[in-house]
Amino acid sequence: GQQLNQSPQSMFIQEGEDVSMNCTSSSIFNTWLWYKQDPGEGPVLLIALYKAGELTSNGRLTAQFGITRKDSFLNISASIPSDVGIYFCAGLVAGTASKLTFGTGTRLQVTL
Amino acid sequence: NAGVTQTPKFRVLKTGQSMTLLCAQDMNHEYMYWYRQDPGMGLRLIHYSVGEGTTAKGEVPDGYNVSRLKKQNFLLGLESAAPSQTSVYFCASRKTRLAREETQYFGPGTRLLVL
Repeated sequence: GQQLNQSPQSMFIQEGEDVSMNCTSSSIFNTWLWYKQDPGEGPVLLIALYKAGELTSNGRLTAQFGITRKDSFLNISASIPSDVGIYFCAGLVAGTASKLTFGTGTRLQVTL
Repeated sequence: NAGVTQTPKFRVLKTGQSMTLLCAQDMNHEYMYWYRQDPGMGLRLIHYSVGEGTTAKGEVPDGYNVSRLKKQNFLLGLESAAPSQTSVYFCASRKTRLAREETQYFGPGTRLLVL
C-alpha cells in the first residue's frame, strides 16, 4: 500500500525557531490533512486543505496544498515546548469513503 | 460527551490466542475506521465501515475481522494472534458525509503485544 513520504523524519529545534516540514506523494490527492500526535494519544487534526494552492493558517501553524496536488507543506512559527510530538500528513481521494493515506511522520523535539 | 473510546488500553497475548478490541463513539458518526501504527510508519487502514451493518477492507486487512452491529460500536477481532500483529491500534470516526467535513476523530489507542 502507498504511504506518503514525509521529511524530515525528525528534528531538534530551539524554542522560538520556525519549523518546516513537507509531504510528497506519487499520486494526486483531493484533500491534504495535517495531524499532530502526542505521546500515548491518538492523532488530532490541525489543518485541512481542500484546494490546490490553498494556504491555511491555524494560530502559529500554516499549511499549503501544493499546486501539483502531490505535495503539502506545514510551517510552525516561533516554536514552543508544547509543539513537541509527531506530525503526520494525510491525503484523501474524493469518493473513497474518506480513507486516509498517512505519511511516515516527522518527530519534532524542542529544546529550551 | 466522551468522543471516541477504546478498550482495552493495553493487552498482552500469546501467539494463537484471540481477542476483540472495542471502539465506541457517542457522536452519532456514520463512518468508523480501524488503523494500526507501527514504529517509523504512519497509520495504515485495516478495515472501515460507512454505516451500521456495513464493513469493508482497508490496506492491511489480513488476520483481522470487524463488525458494526450498532452504529456507535466498531469491533476489531484477531482470531489467531501473531507476533506481526504487535502494534498500536487506533479507532477513528468521521463526523458527516459533507464533502468538506473530513475530520476524523481518533481514540487514544490500544497497545497490543503478541508474544
